[in-house]
Amino acid sequence: ETGVTQSPTHLIKTRGQQVTLRCSSQSGHNTVSWYQQALGQGPQFIFQYYREEENGRGNFPPRFSGLQFPNYSSELNVNALELDDSALYLCASSASTGGNNEQFFGPGTRLTVL
Amino acid sequence: AQTVTQSQPEMSVQEAETVTLSCTYDTSESDYYLFWYKQPPSRQMILVIRQEAYKQQNATENRFSVNFQKAAKSFSLKISDSQLGDAAMYFCAYRRLDNYGQNFVFGPGTRLSVLP
Repeated sequence: ETGVTQSPTHLIKTRGQQVTLRCSSQSGHNTVSWYQQALGQGPQFIFQYYREEENGRGNFPPRFSGLQFPNYSSELNVNALELDDSALYLCASSASTGGNNEQFFGPGTRLTVL
Repeated sequence: AQTVTQSQPEMSVQEAETVTLSCTYDTSESDYYLFWYKQPPSRQMILVIRQEAYKQQNATENRFSVNFQKAAKSFSLKISDSQLGDAAMYFCAYRRLDNYGQNFVFGPGTRLSVLP
């Protein structure tokens, strides 16, 4: 059974650019959530996708957007990058949306915005 | 909105000793889940233990146990017989029952060092 994978591992962008981060969910999982973890802080929920539809969103501006594909993999897109977007971006997948479903986290993508 | 507080930014424990990490949370809901996650330097979040709010019995997983005080909204993690591999950031997290909306709410974390 393959776990949650994310690509790339590290990424450096400049302010104003756009970035796409990718996540492959664990086999059998149809729900993917994205989190932003700034240095020295706990992860903050960005949004969740369930069967290709957004199913919940945290306090992030519209320039943070996402997609989920028929194979349940997912992308996080961030437009007009700002310095404060520098963080570790975590993806987590689960078998469904209910609170009792364990979320399995990927290793994250470290984004640096210069 | 729910909030999670971890008042100990850093803790240290001697190998083989016991340590307790604190967590408090705020919610108006009666049913929810609480979690402790471990994040080693590899960055991958690993589930340590989970507690359902409707269960009065404290959860236990091998050397890890919790003290869940629902009325006080307190959820502490006890690590017994600490091992060098326990060194990591530990995050307390709250999750709604229906998992719609805010999903997980994480605390700011406690960095645990294990001294040989």
